[in-house]
Amino acid sequence: DVKVTQSSRYLVKRTGEKVFLECVQDMDHENMFWYRQDPGLGLRLIYFSYDVKMKEKGDIPEGYSVSREKKERFSLILESASTNQTSMYLCASRRLGTGGAGTEAFFGQGTRLTVV
Amino acid sequence: AQTVTQSQPEMSVQEAETVTLSCTYDTSESNYYLFWYKQPPSRQMILVIRQEAYKQQNATENRFSVNFQKAAKSFSLKISDSQLGDTAMYFCAFDSPGTYKYIFGTGTRLKVLA
Repeated sequence: DVKVTQSSRYLVKRTGEKVFLECVQDMDHENMFWYRQDPGLGLRLIYFSYDVKMKEKGDIPEGYSVSREKKERFSLILESASTNQTSMYLCASRRLGTGGAGTEAFFGQGTRLTVV
Repeated sequence: AQTVTQSQPEMSVQEAETVTLSCTYDTSESNYYLFWYKQPPSRQMILVIRQEAYKQQNATENRFSVNFQKAAKSFSLKISDSQLGDTAMYFCAFDSPGTYKYIFGTGTRLKVLA
């Protein structure tokens, strides 16, 4: 079974802290994603990557950065956490299909981040 | 840019009944993929069903089937014989070659009533 593991299920951080959310997958997937999930807004893409050391901005990258030093690990970094970054964060991965599309994504359990 | 719209924020259905969740999308691509994902209260998102745009035949997976209308850019999910375990958020998603990412809708929260 494919497994996508997020380092924390619940996290509480203070405003201004630097926050690291880690995601590890065990199926040698090339494509990895970080989404933010908020009620009524669905899943919004923060960053994605389709290769080691490659990263692409999604729809809402402001205030975030990512790191992909190894194929299996994709980290999301909140440089200076703010209260409007309180949210559910979902990591996902998939293998790249033909043309880089069409394959199933596997998700982590999510990290509920609260910034106080 | 592609967009995905789910116009039903919440729905409910009686156990054993049939329910249809709607999804529309906008794209200028001719080759793409559409998905329905389910997120139960436990939060682990899982794939329900997948459709390839160039296939005219509607995808089915046991009690789950889709009504794919390419010209209308509509991709609805039908759940037959609803079960309590179908209670979840359902997300429609779009994917096309060369983009390396999914575009998700805002989700429909489905509650199956005993």
